[in-house]
Order: sequence, then structure tokens, then C-alpha cells
Amino acid sequence: NAGVTQTPKFRILKIGQSMTLQCTQDMNHNYMYWYRQDPGMGLKLIYYSVGAGITDKGEVPNGYNVSRSTTEDFPLRLELAAPSQTSVYFCASSFGVAELFFGEGSRLTVL
Amino acid sequence: KNEVEQSPQNLTAQEGEFITINCSYSVGISALHWLQQHPGGGIVSLFMLSSGKKKHGRLIATINIQEKHSSLHITASHPRDSAVYICAVRRSGGANSKLTFGKGITLSVRP
Repeated sequence: NAGVTQTPKFRILKIGQSMTLQCTQDMNHNYMYWYRQDPGMGLKLIYYSVGAGITDKGEVPNGYNVSRSTTEDFPLRLELAAPSQTSVYFCASSFGVAELFFGEGSRLTVL
Repeated sequence: KNEVEQSPQNLTAQEGEFITINCSYSVGISALHWLQQHPGGGIVSLFMLSSGKKKHGRLIATINIQEKHSSLHITASHPRDSAVYICAVRRSGGANSKLTFGKGITLSVRP
């Protein structure tokens, strides 16, 4: 099993550009999450999903969108990138409220 | 005041020492997670616990629900234990209750 796979690992964007961070898991987990990690801060929840076709906002959803068309995939879309979105992004999944499994992270810089 | 507080903020130890990392929280919880993040790396779940104590190899996690406090102990520490250790709590009250993360403790173990 690959677990949780995120791509890309690194990306530099210009202000105003858009991009999608991909996340896929092969553990048949129903819950999936996107977090951002900023220096000196705890992980903050951007969006989450409790199953295919269901998504909901977390603490810091502004500037992002998600979709969950399949159990496996949970892409995060950044529209009109801003410097404030420079961060490390982590996708995670779990079976219900059990143990979380994280991807390797995606480091995004917006210049 | 943050819902999850970790102490100490940074910790340096000598190889072989017994290490304790603390986590205090201020809300009712259904579970507490301990996570490990190596420099530049992904995040790995170490423990999820709601009561008592769990052990895995040289790692022991305990929780005192009444005192709203958890500790992560590392016995016979090794330089490969150098990482950031993150505590996260899931508030009680529903399957969609989200995790709140501490800022993490940076542990350095010197050979």
C-alpha cells in the first residue's frame, strides 16, 4: 500500500496563478483532510471530507476549494494565489475518527 | 489561551537519556494523538489514546483525563528520535469533531 500520496512536493507560484494539489489514498478511508503548516504554528485545517461527495470548511478555507468525487482522491485547488498561501500543505486520511495517516507534504511558495 | 499547550518548547538531550514531553489541553476530548515529524519530512502518527497508557517500542504515552494532561516518554533516547513531536486533541461531541493541534516540541538528541 502506498498510503497517502501528495503531489507536487514543491511548487513556486506567481501571485494570481492557480494550481491544484493532488492527494490520493489507497486505504479506503472515508475521512480526508487538508492542513497547512506555518512556521511556529500548529497545523490548521483547511477543508475536510467525511465521504465521497461531501466536503466541509475547516478553520482557514478562504482562497481554497476542494472536491471529493471518489473515495480515493481529495484535490485542493488554490485560486488566485497570494503570498499568504505560502506554506507547507499536508493531506491526511483516516477511517472515521481513528488514527490519521499523512502524506509527505507539499511546500508551496507564492512570489 | 491555546486549547493545546505543549512543553517544553525545545528540548535537547544526550543519547541514552529518558525524555518526557508534555501536553495540556483545556477542553473535553474524545481522543488525543501524538505525532512525529522529522525535519523536512512527513508526519507520522505515534499514538491515539483516550485513557490510560500505551507503549510501542521505546515510546510510552499516558493520559490523565481528569487533569487534562498527556505525556510522551522516550526511553533510551537515540539521535534518530530527533524530531518535532506534536500533540493533537479531538474535542468530544460528534463524529465530525475536528482535531486541534499543538505547536509541537522540537527534540534534539545528541550522540
